Amino acid sequence: GQNIDQPTEMTATEGAIVQINCTYQTSGFNGLFWYQQHAGEAPTFLSYNVLDGLEEKGRFSSFLSRSKGYSYLLLKELQMKDSASYLCAVMDSNYQLIWGAGTKLIIKP
Amino acid sequence: IAGITQAPTSQILAAGRRMTLRCTQDMRHNAMYWYRQDLGLGLRLIHYSNTAGTTGKGEVPDGYSVSRANTDDFPLTLASAVPSQTSVYFCASSDSTGEGDEQFFGPGTRLTVL
Repeated sequence: GQNIDQPTEMTATEGAIVQINCTYQTSGFNGLFWYQQHAGEAPTFLSYNVLDGLEEKGRFSSFLSRSKGYSYLLLKELQMKDSASYLCAVMDSNYQLIWGAGTKLIIKP
Repeated sequence: IAGITQAPTSQILAAGRRMTLRCTQDMRHNAMYWYRQDLGLGLRLIHYSNTAGTTGKGEVPDGYSVSRANTDDFPLTLASAVPSQTSVYFCASSDSTGEGDEQFFGPGTRLTVL
């Protein structure tokens, strides 16, 4: 079967750094996406990784290791507006997205 | 219109009733998708369409049907609603179905079936 695992909830402090992990087992791999979803809103795209390594985009970075079936999203200089759920999704061999349940990130002042 | 719109925003429906959720995009994207999102679960694909005139079944298609008569519209129909279809429904689109094509999401429809 196909499986995406992420922690259910994490708490961090404003101004700090947090790393959200994602492990996956899928039938085929055509890239991994991270989305942000604020409560009551639609998911919005954050990053895409298809090759091993780190992709940096401002305060957010995403890392991928295909051999380990592992990715993480790194958020630096946390702001209150970063309080949201972060969704990991893998594009499988049929080019369909398999989604994790999401990690709810709580930022405390 | 900018992006993807969905209607209605929310709906309470009696079990056994027929309901169509509407989705329209103005980005001229080829591919469109319907997902449901339930607490504690990831987004689950109901149906998809890679291009106008074609549709396919996703992970949880039972009880739902779709059509794709043109590029812009992708309605989702519940023929006879049941309480287990209570969920938040998201429509999404992407330029194509290839590697790296991000999906853009509509604001969602919150559906309650009683």
